[in-house]
Amino acid sequence: SQQGEEDPQALSIQEGENATMNCSYKTSINNLQWYRQNSGRGLVHLILIRSNEREKHSGRLRVTLDTSKKSSSLLITASRAADTASYFCATASSGGSNYKLTFGKGTLLTVNP
Amino acid sequence: DGGITQSPKYLFRKEGQNVTLSCEQNLNHDAMYWYRQDPGQGLRLIYYSQIVNDFQKGDIAEGYSVSREKKESFPLTVTSAQKNPTAFYLCASSILGSPLHFGNGTRLTVT
Repeated sequence: SQQGEEDPQALSIQEGENATMNCSYKTSINNLQWYRQNSGRGLVHLILIRSNEREKHSGRLRVTLDTSKKSSSLLITASRAADTASYFCATASSGGSNYKLTFGKGTLLTVNP
Repeated sequence: DGGITQSPKYLFRKEGQNVTLSCEQNLNHDAMYWYRQDPGQGLRLIYYSQIVNDFQKGDIAEGYSVSREKKESFPLTVTSAQKNPTAFYLCASSILGSPLHFGNGTRLTVT
């Protein structure tokens, strides 16, 4: 089952603009993570936000988390052509002693030079 | 350099054959994972292991098998029982509860 659902599925912007991607999920989480995937490659972790946090920054990335709405957003400021990639949110939940990370379907971001 | 190595990058098999995908890590991580990714889709969890000699089924384990005899290695076998095996397979590892480190994947094509 896929917990997180990203929105939009695809986003095309010009270099220098900001890009915002959203993620909604269904059940309680321990944390929410954002990953990036370049075409044909593995995923790279970008940022993790815990369920008791509301906002987190890392360089040009800003992540917010609203647990009451079960949603998160990823903002990339001053985008560059090199930011072109797919971006996935992943929710971490724990049932007993098991730790699982469940991914959404991703947002394909294209940054045009 | 520490990391995760998946091999081979591309794999071709005939229908009805079992095939094993390799995943090795030198990050000293306890947990390892196998995900499947289909075009335009997210990642779906096949199996995961939190400790040597123990593993759990993920969301789509049918037609797959794994072993975890060593901390560094978590091979995935795609059996002939998997009805639609053509996909991009990603292996990952982590310290339990921490973000995942991914390999660069194996693209399996079964004809």
